[in-house]
Amino acid sequence: AQTVTQSQPEMSVQEAETVTLSCTYDTSESNYYLFWYKQPPSRQMILVIRQEAYKQQNATENRFSVNFQKAAKSFSLKISDSQLGDTAMYFCAFMRSGAQKLVFGQGTRLTINP
Amino acid sequence: GAVVSQHPSWVICKSGTSVKIECRSLDFQATTMFWYRQFPKQSLMLMATSNEGSKATYEQGVEKDKFLINHASLTLSTLTVTSAHPEDSSFYICSARVAEGMNTEAFFGQGTRLTVV
Repeated sequence: AQTVTQSQPEMSVQEAETVTLSCTYDTSESNYYLFWYKQPPSRQMILVIRQEAYKQQNATENRFSVNFQKAAKSFSLKISDSQLGDTAMYFCAFMRSGAQKLVFGQGTRLTINP
Repeated sequence: GAVVSQHPSWVICKSGTSVKIECRSLDFQATTMFWYRQFPKQSLMLMATSNEGSKATYEQGVEKDKFLINHASLTLSTLTVTSAHPEDSSFYICSARVAEGMNTEAFFGQGTRLTVV
């Protein structure tokens, strides 16, 4: 079974700083997808970024980028120029190609301080 | 992105009664919907996978007779908590997958906070 581990329960940075959230996963699959979801205080889950395992290039979405290290089974999220609105829980998630279920990590609570 | 609407956003019910939560995909057809439960400050726990027109697949440890799931159409899935008890109080979230070619993205409803008194 696949597992996703987020080793940082909480993080806090100052506004405009760069922050990196860690995620590791365990799988024997070669084809899969990785995701970062954001859950702000409203509790609405929002997709931040997605990475296909077969793609070597790291995904980027504006201020959000990932460092995907397939061999190390690592998938970290970097938030540049952090904003107050980035304050939220962040969940890393794994999905095997052809499967339906997302496997979530435990989450990292990120606080951006003014 | 695609929109998933969940209703109600919050509900309070008396112990022993049943409560129904709806999950609708507003602008796409969802052959598969998922129901999660989330305890405070914890991750999402998958309860069941719901496929249109067939019985839901429940995760281990989830009581299928207590959490009834119906997926009668391509845009609607419902979760009914039967004979609710205070320990069923939680935040319930649904999601639906858009499956178009290689697109495997899942969209989430806004969640339902259930309080059983």
